[in-house]
Amino acid sequence: EIVLTQSPGTLSLSPGERATLSCRASQSVSSSYLAWYQQKPGQAPRLLIYGASSRATGIPDRFSGSGSGTDFTLTISRLEPEDFAVYYCQQYGSPWTFGQGTKVEIK
Amino acid sequence: EVQLVESGGVVVQPGGSLRLSCAASGFTFDDYAMHWVRQAPGKGLEWVSLISWDGGSTYYADSVKGRFTISRDNSKNSLYLQMNSLRAEDTALYYCAKDMGYYDYVWGSYRYDAFDIWGQGTMVTVSS
Repeated sequence: EIVLTQSPGTLSLSPGERATLSCRASQSVSSSYLAWYQQKPGQAPRLLIYGASSRATGIPDRFSGSGSGTDFTLTISRLEPEDFAVYYCQQYGSPWTFGQGTKVEIK
Repeated sequence: EVQLVESGGVVVQPGGSLRLSCAASGFTFDDYAMHWVRQAPGKGLEWVSLISWDGGSTYYADSVKGRFTISRDNSKNSLYLQMNSLRAEDTALYYCAKDMGYYDYVWGSYRYDAFDIWGQGTMVTVSS
C-alpha cells in the first residue's frame, strides 16, 4: 500500500499570499495517478487536480499541481477567502489511498 | 444535473448490519466505476471500496475486507454497500463517489482515475 504524507499539517496564511502544499508518497506513484481535493466544513470533497497537474472542470487557474514519482505539490498562487479549507492528496491505484490532509487557515 | 445521493445511514449496535444506498443521476451510470469513501468525525478521508463499471470486479480496504460488500444495480442507477459485523471504528460519514476513468477498448481494460463527483454523505454511527 502506498502511504501519502502531507506537509505541513496546518498552513497559516493571509488572503493574497501563495500557498504551497506537499504530498510525499512512500513509493513511486505510477503514471502520475495523483489527485488533489478541497474540503470545506460540512461539505463533500471537491476534485481540484488529477493526473498530478490537470485541473478539473471549473477549477480556477490559481490552483496548479506539479510533481512526479514520490513528490507532488499543490500551489495556490494567490489565496482567495474561499480557498481556506482542508486539502487532501490521493493516489488512485489498488488500494486507493489519501494523505492525512493539510489545513489552510487564515492568519 | 449530475448527482449522487446516499441514504441508509443510522445508529446501529456493534456487531450489527446495515446497507447503504447511493442513487446516481445525470450521467451514464454503467459507464463508470464507483467508490465508497468514509470520514470519521473530525478525521481525514479513507477509501473503502471500489466496484467496476459492470460489477465484475471489486476491491476493498483491509479494514473492511470480509465484512463489507459493494454491489451495484445498473438498471436502477444505484450503488450499495452491505456492512456486516459493524464496529465502533466504522462510525463515519460514508460518501459514494464516481470514478472519472473510462474503459479502454484498445487495451481491453478500465483506466481508473480520480473521483470527480461526490455525494453529500450518509452518517453511520456504531454504538450501544
